[in-house]
Amino acid sequence: DAKTTQPPSMDCAEGRAANLPCNHSTISGNEYVYWYRQIHSQGPQYIIHGLKNNETNEMASLIITEDRKSSTLILPHATLRDTAVYYCIVRGGSNYKLTFGKGTLLTVNP
Amino acid sequence: GAGVSQTPSNKVTEKGKYVELRCDPISGHTALYWYRQSLGQGPEFLIYFQGTGAADDSGLPNDRFFAVRPEGSVSTLKIQRTERGDSAVYLCASSGGPGNTIYFGEGSWLTVV
Repeated sequence: DAKTTQPPSMDCAEGRAANLPCNHSTISGNEYVYWYRQIHSQGPQYIIHGLKNNETNEMASLIITEDRKSSTLILPHATLRDTAVYYCIVRGGSNYKLTFGKGTLLTVNP
Repeated sequence: GAGVSQTPSNKVTEKGKYVELRCDPISGHTALYWYRQSLGQGPEFLIYFQGTGAADDSGLPNDRFFAVRPEGSVSTLKIQRTERGDSAVYLCASSGGPGNTIYFGEGSWLTVV
């Protein structure tokens, strides 16, 4: 699976949108972009995934560039409970496992 | 159950002892995974089951670690002769099959003293 690059940390004000970037310049055509987050002392939580179209669910939006070499996870109205490590992971369509990097520590400030 | 369930949530054991960690996957999920997470690191893959068989055990660090899933549902991770370096959170996850979304449990925190 292609590797991803994320900033180690970011800050966001409560109530504002949090935009978390991810670079995956070597992504292949059949590889998906997955986002998970891990709140302190909990297991990783699935957020969203996409192939090439933008995706939205009740938690977040995923914007994938046209060349698919990067993506952005958007939390539209960040709350203090969104403080967590966010992992961007590229995974092949039939690949059975996820390979985690170090992720981005998002801190939402009051 | 509604989610992946892991027991115990916390385990403290003495160096050299044997430990078992249990995972109950989401009902109907055929794929089951074990990961290990050390402080400050992302989860690291240990082993993957598809049904009853271990399809990929390449992440197991050494032969002290073993996992089973005899009936294709509940899985047990077994660690023999524990060492202090085995202290970590052991995460279990499941999915409906290869390529399907993977859902994680809350983990079992193992401390070896």
